[in-house]
Amino acid sequence: EADIYQTPRYLVIGTGKKITLECSQTMGHDKMYWYQQDPGMELHLIHYSYGVNSTEKGDLSSESTVSRIRTEHFPLTLESARPSHTSQYLCASSEFEVSGNTIYFGEGSWLTVV
Amino acid sequence: QKEVEQNSGPLSVPEGAIASLNCTYSDRGSQSFFWYRQYSGKSPELIMSIYSNGDKEDGRFTAQLNKASQYVSLLIRDSQPSDSATYLCAVNRRNNDMRFGAGTRLTVKP
Repeated sequence: EADIYQTPRYLVIGTGKKITLECSQTMGHDKMYWYQQDPGMELHLIHYSYGVNSTEKGDLSSESTVSRIRTEHFPLTLESARPSHTSQYLCASSEFEVSGNTIYFGEGSWLTVV
Repeated sequence: QKEVEQNSGPLSVPEGAIASLNCTYSDRGSQSFFWYRQYSGKSPELIMSIYSNGDKEDGRFTAQLNKASQYVSLLIRDSQPSDSATYLCAVNRRNNDMRFGAGTRLTVKP
């Protein structure tokens, strides 16, 4: 069972606003991820981190940024939100095991930009 | 060719039937394989993982892996309406990079 917490769960903001989606995990997992998923569509990896002070861009080009100052915290920031950013954002984490890393997801943050 | 391929569905089965979900992957060096279930509007939740060729059973779920064919499947026995969801296949590649399929939408009709 994974403990990953995302806030806010639902947010409606205006175009041009800055927004930070928070993600925290209590398992001490080194690797953390942010995925973007539109309703009924596939997951797209936008950022990931191997550990503290590590951040990498994923497969999908994103105008967001991330930081990893503490192991348990991996916030995602949009400096200037646009309607095209309307989507669900899923945070996830994993612990490396020899057999492979199992990914656990948070409950997601639904963002609507108007 | 996508790295992890699944039929998008929808796959429709009657209640009590066996649902069979399939997945193929391209990286022959992939090491571990996972099935996630995602209800509409919710986040994916892990159902099963499988690492070795053959079958792995957990309750009504059976995962099957054939590395030679680069094929992994999930069988759901005695399907229930509550099993209606999208099922995501995930593959951990040799560089420990996880890749997800686009998912198969399953509907179990009462």
